[in-house]
Amino acid sequence: QVQLQQWGAGLLKPSETLSLTCAVYGGSFTDYYWIWIRQPPGKGLEWIGEINHSGSTNFHRPLKSRVTLSVDTSKNQFSLKMSSVTAADTAVYFCARGRNSNGSGTYYKGYYFYYMDIWGEGTTVTVSS
Amino acid sequence: QSVLTQPPSVSGAPGQRVTISCTGGSSNLGTGYDVHWYQQVAGTAPKLLIYGNNHRPSGVPDRISGSKSGTSASLAISGLQAEDEAHYYCQSYDSLSGSRVFGGGTKLTVL
Repeated sequence: QVQLQQWGAGLLKPSETLSLTCAVYGGSFTDYYWIWIRQPPGKGLEWIGEINHSGSTNFHRPLKSRVTLSVDTSKNQFSLKMSSVTAADTAVYFCARGRNSNGSGTYYKGYYFYYMDIWGEGTTVTVSS
Repeated sequence: QSVLTQPPSVSGAPGQRVTISCTGGSSNLGTGYDVHWYQQVAGTAPKLLIYGNNHRPSGVPDRISGSKSGTSASLAISGLQAEDEAHYYCQSYDSLSGSRVFGGGTKLTVL
């Protein structure tokens, strides 16, 4: 049973750097994209970006200049850093596993077809002075 | 404003069938990118319900189904149960923004 466990600082001041880590337990680290998503209070889901085991990344363009993603394959962990946070970055941050195949051979598609099949429990990050 | 448009809310009585629509455009669903659906119960992480337009992951009951045609997709839940009360989100890829995108979410209320 694959599980994602995430952690990081929950209270930040404006201009500080958000830092979150997600650990992958019980499954392969190399066959997937590892994704960060956030959800502001009372609002919907927003894709932040993603990284694979070799360090290939893609980002939501409005956030790209402030976001850094990294992986530690020796620990099966991936991390998110977001610089210069403001109150607008207050949200629950989720890590998730992205895949484009179902493992049984009935569904296998390209990069644009990734879906998130396993999610972390979420970390509430509040930015306040 | 979300790239994928969903109704803010739908409702139904226990046992009934409801559908939730997800409308996109030529740079996402209309290009042929698949749609995926997630259920989020209040205070919890989203859960995958449907991937690849109409595939159910193991453990998702067959009273839940998905479909896609052109620039629109739908999630259908039949035999509505109290435990179905949650927010539902569609998700796809948008070539214009170069992003994975979500719909704004639909709150399902079981009357």
